[in-house]
Amino acid sequence: QKEVEQDPGPLSVPEGAIVSLNCTYSNSAFQYFMWYRQYSRKGPELLMYTYSSGNKEDGRFTAQVDKSSKYISLFIRDSQPSDSATYLCAMSARGSGGSNYKLTFGKGTLLTVNP
Amino acid sequence: NAGVTQTPKFQVLKTGQSMTLQCAQDMNHEYMSWYRQDPGMGLRLIHYSVGAGITDQGEVPNGYNVSRSTTEDFPLRLLSAAPSQTSVYFCASSLIGSQETQYFGPGTRLLVL
Repeated sequence: QKEVEQDPGPLSVPEGAIVSLNCTYSNSAFQYFMWYRQYSRKGPELLMYTYSSGNKEDGRFTAQVDKSSKYISLFIRDSQPSDSATYLCAMSARGSGGSNYKLTFGKGTLLTVNP
Repeated sequence: NAGVTQTPKFQVLKTGQSMTLQCAQDMNHEYMSWYRQDPGMGLRLIHYSVGAGITDQGEVPNGYNVSRSTTEDFPLRLLSAAPSQTSVYFCASSLIGSQETQYFGPGTRLLVL
């Protein structure tokens, strides 16, 4: 079982739809949960991060972490064509030493928002 | 403030050739890392560094060397390129203790024939 599983999609939605993106993981040591957005032929850019469990909201974006289920989600409200990108979940563990700065990524979900 | 920069943007190599992918950051970040991104495989960590003179292997280090002589620069060396190293390479950096906010460069597309 891979440490982080993410449905690659592709996911196609109409403009204005609510989008739900998800990842599951197996490593109980993960404590930081990130969502990166990657436009075509660009580098990933950090969208949001959450420490431990709970919700975090930033504008149209909401990140949720359920550590008991080892499940994280990113919700996009009122989706826009400019949200069309690949969304990558990433996770890391807390602790000492350089190895705990490593990010473990999901494979990414390709999202297209149609006008 | 340029952030993380990478050169070249695109490179074609023949099998067996060597080259160095350059990465630089101007944010005084201690942590720097190299990833490769392949279709269906996601981003995989190659090597990382927590400061000048300190490097370590990631998930897929074979065929790659790194060194960190300054805080700003973290070059990735391919000593003898192989077609399996055809990929998109990303460099990332962050402050130590802020691994949740890693900044990525624009990437280098490498094709090995």
